[in-house]
Amino acid sequence: DAGVIQSPRHEVTEMGQEVTLRCKPISGHNSLFWYRQTMMRGLELLIYFNNNVPIDDSGMPEDRFSAKMPNASFSTLKIQPSEPRDSAVYFCASRSGMNTEAFFGQGTRLTVV
Amino acid sequence: AQSVTQLDSHVSVSEGTPVLLRCNYSSSYSPSLFWYVQHPNKGLQLLLKYTSAATLVKGINGFEAEFKKSETSFHLTKPSAHMSDAAEYFCVVSLGNQGGKLIFGQGTELSVKP
Repeated sequence: DAGVIQSPRHEVTEMGQEVTLRCKPISGHNSLFWYRQTMMRGLELLIYFNNNVPIDDSGMPEDRFSAKMPNASFSTLKIQPSEPRDSAVYFCASRSGMNTEAFFGQGTRLTVV
Repeated sequence: AQSVTQLDSHVSVSEGTPVLLRCNYSSSYSPSLFWYVQHPNKGLQLLLKYTSAATLVKGINGFEAEFKKSETSFHLTKPSAHMSDAAEYFCVVSLGNQGGKLIFGQGTELSVKP
């Protein structure tokens, strides 16, 4: 398996634009996580899904952020409109069960100018 | 409520000396615990995991951790540090009573001096 695949790897956008980050989990994994990493706040859990259903989105900062998982092999994290404070590295991770380790993608480095 | 606390934000050791990175957790249920490592500008890699089997867990690159329920701790150790161990280390708890929510500690930056 190629591992968790995130795209794009880097994204530079202007304030106010819509940004969509994509994630393909490892085949057969039934849990998917979205994290945001910044120097100030460390790794924050934004939202996670079990069997394509959002379980906890309490970490989503505000209504500008939304996430979907239309099927077991694809998830998106959307920011609309984007703001400079959204600049961070966004990681996606997947795993096969509650007691198993999560596998992380390489991350998307988002810069909003 | 904070579910996992890493007690040191930065640890500095000399090459060849032992490493101790401290982690405490809070959970009403028997948790699954993990240590991850992140090298500069890289992704996250699993070092080791505890999932209610042996309390002393061995991982990659000579690292190990001991689960101590009485102390609610899961400290990471290595007998002899190598320069390549310099990185950020994260203690992670999986909350079984919250659908497997994965919570990261704030991270400990390990520096290794020659």
